[in-house]
Amino acid sequence: AQSVTQLGSHVSVSEGALVLLRCNYSSSVPPYLFWYVQYPNQGLQLLLKYTSAATLVKGINGFEAEFKKSETSFHLTKPSAHMSDAAEYFCAVSDRTGGFKTIFGAGTRLFVKA
Amino acid sequence: DAGITQSPRHKVTETGTPVTLRCHQTENHRYMYWYRQDPGHGLRLIHYSYGVKDTDKGEVSDGYSVSRSKTEDFLLTLESATSSQTSVYFCAISENSGNTIYFGEGSWLTVV
Repeated sequence: AQSVTQLGSHVSVSEGALVLLRCNYSSSVPPYLFWYVQYPNQGLQLLLKYTSAATLVKGINGFEAEFKKSETSFHLTKPSAHMSDAAEYFCAVSDRTGGFKTIFGAGTRLFVKA
Repeated sequence: DAGITQSPRHKVTETGTPVTLRCHQTENHRYMYWYRQDPGHGLRLIHYSYGVKDTDKGEVSDGYSVSRSKTEDFLLTLESATSSQTSVYFCAISENSGNTIYFGEGSWLTVV
């Protein structure tokens, strides 16, 4: 069975500081992994996706994530936070057999301080 | 943006009444989903569809039913609304393969 754990329901950083949002997964087969972002009162938008082509995945808005099989992690990073990055971020895992088996983490809310 | 339209976007209803949420897509994607989002729970799958008239249950399907009579439309019905069904409901779609899920803007439902 798959599962995904996001460490920290809230993360606060200063503008210009490194953003690190942690995600650990469990999957019995090689997974697809996703990061989504949700701005207030909106749906989720895909930030980036790992499908085994490359372990370092670059997404939109300067975000990237690295797949580390040995650590079963897929942490999301951005070198320099911007006020507009304040949102909720969701990590998700799929076992590749179909979208209906995609499991979402509980989410991490990112606060960016001026 | 994926062409997904949810209606209504906001609704207040009374306990015990039936409620139907509608999802319409213009992408011709095979899979459609209904999720609910609640604080601390992330997104939980209610029901999904893998084709016209082909539907199945997700992890929190009790009290909900769905129908898909056309590729582009997926309806979620709360048979007799309860306060525990107060939530934000998201429709989503995905292609046959690739597993990327695209979300609608959400429907805010309050059951009083």
